[in-house]
Amino acid sequence: AQKITQTQPGMFVQEKEAVTLDCTYDTSDPSYGLFWYKQPSSGEMIFLIYQGSYDQQNATEGRYSLNFQKARKSANLVISASQLGDSAMYFCAMRERNTDKLIFGTGTRLQVFP
Amino acid sequence: DAGVTQSPTHLIKTRGQQVTLRCSPKSGHDTVSWYQQALGQGPQFIFQYYEEEERQRGNFPDRFSGHQFPNYSSELNVNALLLGDSALYLCASSLARGQGADYEQYFGPGTRLTVT
Repeated sequence: AQKITQTQPGMFVQEKEAVTLDCTYDTSDPSYGLFWYKQPSSGEMIFLIYQGSYDQQNATEGRYSLNFQKARKSANLVISASQLGDSAMYFCAMRERNTDKLIFGTGTRLQVFP
Repeated sequence: DAGVTQSPTHLIKTRGQQVTLRCSPKSGHDTVSWYQQALGQGPQFIFQYYEEEERQRGNFPDRFSGHQFPNYSSELNVNALLLGDSALYLCASSLARGQGADYEQYFGPGTRLTVT
């Protein structure tokens, strides 16, 4: 069964430090995509980064990188040089081949302190 | 370039009533998906519309229905509202499968529905 697991309900990080948000997934489909979204208190889901299951390299987008370990079925998000504006909920999501729906985890609330 | 827009922003309804939520996709996108996000949870897929037809549906009762218009905008209708329907309803737009980059699925700001 398709499932996303985020085991960290909340994380704290000091400004300018790096932080890793964990995500594991379960699927029997060899072709899938993994997403990370940021959700501020305003509610909008902001796309951060994407990793395809056949991508050879880990995805990077500015301060965001995705640590993709296919054998372990993990897709952790690394945020470098945290900023106060990074405080938000972060959701990991998956979409399998030939389907259109995203399956989300329960999210991790990140709080960045000065 | 306008992103995904949703209306209204907030809505309060009474049990048993009906509600209609609206979504306009990002410019150039032709596919609209709807998600329900209960408090403290991740979004749950309701259904997706493409070419004015429902293409895929999640595990939601028939009280949830939708429509897509020729201009690709979409409506989500919920009949016979229950207290448990209180949630943030998110709309996401994308290009038809295989037509664009796999990562292109952008969300709107959501409509917060409260059922009393």
